[in-house]
Order: sequence, then structure tokens, then C-alpha cells
Amino acid sequence: QVQLVQSGAEVKKPGASVKVSCKASGYTFTSYGISWVRQAPGQGLEWMGWISAYNGNTNYAQKLQGRVTMTTDTSTSTAYMELRSLRSDDTAVYYCARYGGDYWGQGTLVTVSS
Amino acid sequence: QSVLTQPPSASGTPGQRVTISCSGSSSNIGSNTVNWYQQLPGTAPKLLIYSNNQRPSGVPDRFSGSKSGTSASLAISGLQSEDEADYYCAAWDDSLNGRRVFGGGTKLTVL
Repeated sequence: QVQLVQSGAEVKKPGASVKVSCKASGYTFTSYGISWVRQAPGQGLEWMGWISAYNGNTNYAQKLQGRVTMTTDTSTSTAYMELRSLRSDDTAVYYCARYGGDYWGQGTLVTVSS
Repeated sequence: QSVLTQPPSASGTPGQRVTISCSGSSSNIGSNTVNWYQQLPGTAPKLLIYSNNQRPSGVPDRFSGSKSGTSASLAISGLQSEDEADYYCAAWDDSLNGRRVFGGGTKLTVL
């Protein structure tokens, strides 16, 4: 069965970076892209961007351009999302999802606090 | 401010039928398919409806979706207490080299 398993919770200080991983199993990794979506406490879903696991092409949300980098490691079927220059309003649960969202990871809580 | 517009809340009694609307534009719902997600408290979103009106395996047929023009809707018939959750619509948007857009979410309360 398709599974996306994410790395554990992180606590970071403002200005730091965080890198969240998402390990896929149960399907051919390079056949689907991976989307990243975040959800601030008590808020709705916000699309962060998408990476093709086939060729590494990316498309980032305009508001995160310059701060976010999405990568994949096809040898381990793992996708990564790095967010830099963290601010308090980056505190959220970060989800990876297969392409348009038919399968989701369990979420990773990233807390940004001094 | 979400690109897709949903009512913030909806409610119904057990057994009732409720609908949740999702309004967009020609660059998203008007030209792409719509997915619906159910999110129970403290859990990841779960795909409920894809391609406007298709149910993934395991989703009860009490859930149905439809789309017309630049709007979509989710209907839940035979409402049950376990349906109490947040519901989100989503679609790809053709602007800005393609992006995924979500509705703001609708909190469904079963009275």
C-alpha cells in the first residue's frame, strides 16, 4: 500500500532553516510528483509547491520563492523540503502528498520560537 | 484569503443531507478538476472525492461531488456523527505556471 512517512517534529529559532523528509513506499516513486502543503495552527491548508520525482522540476508558491527548496533522492524514494530564514509565522504542520493529494504523509510539526 | 471560497461552517442532524459549496474562477475550477478532502482533528487530510465526482476505494457512497462551471459542491447524505470534520476543496490553477489552490475549509458540525 502507498505510504508517505515524514520525519519528526522540529523546534527552530527565528532565522534558522529546517529540512523535512518524506519517504515514499508502495508505488514507483518516479511516476508521481510530491506536493508540500502546510497548515498553521487553527488555519487552513496552504500549498507550498511541487517537485517532479521524475526529473526534479519544481514549482514553488510565489510567497515562498527564495526561501524554499524541494529536492528528491530517487535512490531512497525520499523527498525533502527545506525552508530557510524561518519566522514565527512559519510555525505549522508540514505535509507531503503524492502529486495532487491522493495520499498524504502524517505531517511534521515545525515550531519556530526564540 | 483563500483562492477558492467555501462557507466557514455547516451543520446538520444525523440522517440529514448537507452540501458544502466551493467557488473559484476560470483558471482553477473552470478549467481543472476538483478534489475534496476530509480532515479529522489532529490528522492529515484524507482524499474524499477526486476528479469532481469520483470516490476512492473505501469512501462511502454517502459522499458525492459535483461541478458546474466555476463552482463545485460536496454532498453528504445520511449524516453521521463521525462525519464531523473539516472539509476542503482543491484544484490546480493555471495561473503562475500552475499552482495548487485550496478553499479555506468548512467545519461540519453534526448536531
